[in-house]
Amino acid sequence: KNEVEQSPQNLTAQEGEFITINCSYSVGISALHWLQQHPGGGIVSLFMLSSGKKKHGRLIATINIQEKHSSLHITASHPRDSAVYICATREAQKLVFGQGTRLTINP
Amino acid sequence: NAGVMQNPRHLVRRRGQEARLRCSPMKGHSHVYWYRQLPEEGLKFMVYLQKENIIDESGMPKERFSAEFPKEGPSILRIQQVVRGDSAAYFCASSLFGQETQYFGPGTRLLVL
Repeated sequence: KNEVEQSPQNLTAQEGEFITINCSYSVGISALHWLQQHPGGGIVSLFMLSSGKKKHGRLIATINIQEKHSSLHITASHPRDSAVYICATREAQKLVFGQGTRLTINP
Repeated sequence: NAGVMQNPRHLVRRRGQEARLRCSPMKGHSHVYWYRQLPEEGLKFMVYLQKENIIDESGMPKERFSAEFPKEGPSILRIQQVVRGDSAAYFCASSLFGQETQYFGPGTRLLVL
């Protein structure tokens, strides 16, 4: 059974700081997803990656398949980045989710 | 292109009533997934459907819960004889055949009194 662990569970930072959220999983996967859940509850898919690194604006996601580890980085963080960030691995067609990291960026 | 739509957004039921949650996938998407998020917990997979077929229902509770995705119309998640423990946010997501990115709906918040 795949276990997905995220760290930290909660993270508070000042505007402008560089943010890193980590995700580890226990079995081989075909892809890993990073999702963002807004305070209102909606979920947005940020990245899907199976190797290497992807960048979108100030967000960067990396994955190390051998170490079964992925990171999500946010550069020049802003209060509007405040949300819960969730990593999820794919098992067949279903997603297995981490417990989420609650990020708060203070102005 | 409209995103994934779910309705109702909020649903209040009394114990013992039935809850019907609807999900309209993105245009052209034939795969639908239902997930549940209990209060203060992470998302959990419930069921994966294609048109007229249940592909994987390993996350569905054995009783009271059912799901369908008919040839025409939205996918329906049905909860019979609701109990307080069913109170949660229910999200559906959809994807294109063979494509892994799933697009999430806004969720239905079910409150059982």
